[in-house]
Amino acid sequence: SQQGEEDPQALSIQEGENATMNCSYKTSINNLQWYRQNSGRGLVHLILIRSNEREKHSGRLRVTLDTSKKSSSLLITASRAADTASYFCATSRGGAQKLVFGQGTRLTINP
Amino acid sequence: NAGVTQTPKFRVLKTGQSMTLLCAQDMNHEYMYWYRQDPGMGLRLIHYSVGEGTTAKGEVPDGYNVSRLKKQNFLLGLESAAPSQTSVYFCASSSYRDRGGHEQFFGPGTRLTVL
Repeated sequence: SQQGEEDPQALSIQEGENATMNCSYKTSINNLQWYRQNSGRGLVHLILIRSNEREKHSGRLRVTLDTSKKSSSLLITASRAADTASYFCATSRGGAQKLVFGQGTRLTINP
Repeated sequence: NAGVTQTPKFRVLKTGQSMTLLCAQDMNHEYMYWYRQDPGMGLRLIHYSVGEGTTAKGEVPDGYNVSRLKKQNFLLGLESAAPSQTSVYFCASSSYRDRGGHEQFFGPGTRLTVL
């Protein structure tokens, strides 16, 4: 079963706008990660936030984590056409750093 | 560095046939994973390994076997393929860290169709 649920399932915005995606999960975690997948390709790691962290930045990406609400958000600022992709959150708990993925948000940036 | 590579990239099987998917990583990672991705869904863990000679079941292990005889390689086998195993298969690897965790590095995927 999928631990994470992502919202929205699909998002279409104009280039230059900000995109926000949300992820909710059900159990305690060690960390939460966000990945990007371009159509038909493998996943690329974007950012990892640990359970004792509340916010993290990487370039145009901002991730927040609220462990009390079991939720996370990914903000992409000043979107570009190249940001068009599917975005997945994944949670890790326990040993072996196994990941449980959400179903993803399909982001489309319109020029 | 090539990172994580997978062979083959595409394969079509008939029901009941067997095959092996090969994953190789050149980053000296301890942990390796096999996932499957079905249309419109996230990835689900099939099997994983925390070191050479060790394997363990993930979320959806039925119908698959794995082996990790060398640290850099992780093989996924289908003994008797079924149409329900039509999917895209991804391999990933990760280095050991404390409970804080570390990102996984993914291969490009193998698209498998079982007729």
